[in-house]
Amino acid sequence: GDSVTQMEGPVTLSEEAFLTINCTYTATGYPSLFWYVQYPGEGLQLLLKATKADDKGSNKGFEATYRKETTSFHLEKGSVQVSDSAVYFCAATGRRALTFGSGTRLQVQP
Amino acid sequence: DAGITQSPRHKVTETGTPVTLRCHQTENHRYMYWYRQDPGHGLRLIHYSYGVKDTDKGEVSDGYSVSRSKTEDFLLTLESATSSQTSVYFCAISESQGIDSEQYFGPGTRLTVT
Repeated sequence: GDSVTQMEGPVTLSEEAFLTINCTYTATGYPSLFWYVQYPGEGLQLLLKATKADDKGSNKGFEATYRKETTSFHLEKGSVQVSDSAVYFCAATGRRALTFGSGTRLQVQP
Repeated sequence: DAGITQSPRHKVTETGTPVTLRCHQTENHRYMYWYRQDPGHGLRLIHYSYGVKDTDKGEVSDGYSVSRSKTEDFLLTLESATSSQTSVYFCAISESQGIDSEQYFGPGTRLTVT
């Protein structure tokens, strides 16, 4: 069946460091891919998306490229801020709804 | 922000009691979903609805039922709550279910079953 695998956290970085959170997927067909972010005590917010191979989604300095050959959608940001501290979820469209990864907690220290 | 509200936001209940969670949307989206969020599991689909009175099971539907009598409301019922149903429950909506179907989430309901 469909599945999404994310790197385990927590990820702890200093402010202005480079961020990568790995995400790979298995799916039949060609799903759309998403990154959602969850701040403490809140619901999930869509961060960015890509709908076909080689598409790059970007928002708020975050980027991710849909790589069909490696079935990956890694999240990157060149310089993280304390306000980026949150849990990040990778997701793929499935047969009925989204399939989510287990989430990666990011902690950015001043 | 998408107009999605969930009620209650927090609830503590005892094992064996019935519980109903409500999701209300003002976006007139056709599709609605209930997920549960547990540590190490991300979000898992409980049930979803593809229209008024049209619902289907997700991957973790045992012990849950749903109803949708109006476009804007999607109810999740735990007929007899168990401790394993302690979780955070999220409602989501989407306009379509196709390849480009992004979902928008409510703020969540934290349920504790003692």
